[in-house]
Amino acid sequence: EADIYQTPRYLVIGTGKKITLECSQTMGHDKMYWYQQDPGMELHLIHYSYGVNSTEKGDLSSESTVSRIRTEHFPLTLESARPSHTSQYLCASSDQTAYEQYFGPGTRLTVT
Amino acid sequence: TQLLEQSPQFLSIQEGENLTVYCNSSSVFSSLQWYRQEPGEGPVLLVTVVTGGEVKKLKRLTFQFGDARKDSSLHITAAQPGDTGLYLCTFRGSQGNLIFGKGTKLSVKP
Repeated sequence: EADIYQTPRYLVIGTGKKITLECSQTMGHDKMYWYQQDPGMELHLIHYSYGVNSTEKGDLSSESTVSRIRTEHFPLTLESARPSHTSQYLCASSDQTAYEQYFGPGTRLTVT
Repeated sequence: TQLLEQSPQFLSIQEGENLTVYCNSSSVFSSLQWYRQEPGEGPVLLVTVVTGGEVKKLKRLTFQFGDARKDSSLHITAAQPGDTGLYLCTFRGSQGNLIFGKGTKLSVKP
């Protein structure tokens, strides 16, 4: 069973607020990913990390930022949330082979 | 342009029926994976297919990778309400991330 956690599960906030979505995994995986999923649409990669102090932008442009100070933790931050940021955010991790990715339950973000 | 086309987009069937969903592309892949995503959860890996023509069975689910490694299908026998979910096919991108299709949303009614 995958041990990857995301908090909060649901978040409703007002425009302009700063938010951080948490993602933690206890599997010791080096690779971690953030995907964005709009209803009825594909998951798109927005950030990834190959290990501590490594962060890269994904295929989909995003105004969010990430950090990787510890192996197990890969938080995503929005400095000033806007309604266009409303979406589901999914965190995933994999070992070095990246053969299988384990996903967290996601955070459903609504910006009003 | 969609790299992976999944069909049908939606499927609603009665418990006990059989169904097949498809994943097609004009590109050749070294491997394809199928994930299932239940409402409010993240995707969970079902299977990876790597060899053209390969057939893998997982209980009532049968996965096939096309001979040319451009397409794949998932067949479910005697569907159950617990099979309800979004079925996603994916391949691995250059950064190790997954490239997803839009998925087939399956609803199995009791």
